[in-house]
Amino acid sequence: DVKVTQSSRYLVKRTGEKVFLECVQDMDHENMFWYRQDPGLGLRLIYFSYDVKMKEKGDIPEGYSVSREKKERFSLILESASTNQTSMYLCASSSQVNYGYTFGSGTRLTVV
Amino acid sequence: SQQGEEDPQALSIQEGENATMNCSYKTSINNLQWYRQNSGRGLVHLILIRSNEREKHSGRLRVTLDTSKKSSSLLITASRAADTASYFCATATTSGTYKYIFGTGTRLKVLA
Repeated sequence: DVKVTQSSRYLVKRTGEKVFLECVQDMDHENMFWYRQDPGLGLRLIYFSYDVKMKEKGDIPEGYSVSREKKERFSLILESASTNQTSMYLCASSSQVNYGYTFGSGTRLTVV
Repeated sequence: SQQGEEDPQALSIQEGENATMNCSYKTSINNLQWYRQNSGRGLVHLILIRSNEREKHSGRLRVTLDTSKKSSSLLITASRAADTASYFCATATTSGTYKYIFGTGTRLKVLA
């Protein structure tokens, strides 16, 4: 069974901390994505990557960075966590432009 | 930026009834997908319909696409309590990027 695994289901961090959210896929997918999901706003794309060491900004990249050193791993970094980054973070991967995403189970991050 | 907008925002039906959800979008698309999200979890891919297709079936799911109206509908027949979830449409534009844009979702509740 193919999988996208997010390292934590729930995470509580303090304001100003540097936060790492990890995502690993075992499907040899080229494309990986980070979304955040907030009530009433749906899913918003933060960053995506279509190859190792490649990254592109999504719709809301401010306050975030990403790292993709290996094909299977895509990390989202909150440089200095703030309370407005409290959200559900969803990682996804896909193999081609026209194929569906496989999502991880999500990480619910609370910044206090 | 929101591409897809689902309608209605919430829907409550009895078990055994059919559920219909609609999605409207703004720009030309390459394909459109529907996803399901159970409470607090990641999204699961349900079905993909390409821009040159008008209807597609998968089990109890039927998806239609009207590119002239820039709209799609998802029909779930003979609904079950287990269908209770949020449903999202996602569109891939013809611009050649890899990313999908998600709507804000329809919350479906199926009463036993």
